[in-house]
Amino acid sequence: GAGVSQSPRYKVAKRGQDVALRCDPISGHVSLFWYQQALGQGPEFLTYFQNEAQLDKSGLPSDRFFAERPEGSVSTLKIQRTQQEDSAVYLCASSRDWGEQFFGPGTRLTVL
Amino acid sequence: DAKTTQPNSMESNEEEPVHLPCNHSTISGTDYIHWYRQLPSQGPEYVIHGLTSNVNNRMASLAIAEDRKSSTLILHRATLRDAAVYYCILRDFDAGRRALTFGSGTRLQVQP
Repeated sequence: GAGVSQSPRYKVAKRGQDVALRCDPISGHVSLFWYQQALGQGPEFLTYFQNEAQLDKSGLPSDRFFAERPEGSVSTLKIQRTQQEDSAVYLCASSRDWGEQFFGPGTRLTVL
Repeated sequence: DAKTTQPNSMESNEEEPVHLPCNHSTISGTDYIHWYRQLPSQGPEYVIHGLTSNVNNRMASLAIAEDRKSSTLILHRATLRDAAVYYCILRDFDAGRRALTFGSGTRLQVQP
């Protein structure tokens, strides 16, 4: 069956550019999460949606990071004016509420 | 959030059992113990979880100490495909926080 998909898989941006990362969760999953994973470290929570409502954005590192899920399915993570420290793998996960989280393959962002 | 402590790395031989330890001395009564693993260049995937009793599934077994201050993930016969970073994570459903808090995990190497 279809899992969580993310696009693009790789993104190279020049410092100062805006980027948009897409996540297609598993159909019917109400919960959607974004995580950031720096090289050699475990994933770190960024933000959480239940359907279209963003219930927790405590992990977003700055106001340059913005996420949306307008129709309760596809989600987009947008990073404005990218900086080198934004270079990381961005992981999306979905779940049926409290159930196990299913992760996508991630988008590797490199900021030059 | 209660913290977990895991060894940075472990080695195993193919087709031998592997015991991956996790210490969580500050675990609360409502914390579930979850294990996820992350294969190279992939997102994390759920392995197993438990509360007090030992648990078995097709992937692994989870042995939980009687005082719940530690647990062990058991892979009964390691294969090369089991080489991954294994994360031990506590989830407190009563606290209402749905996001996973990853540590650094244990990097398991499997030798042929």
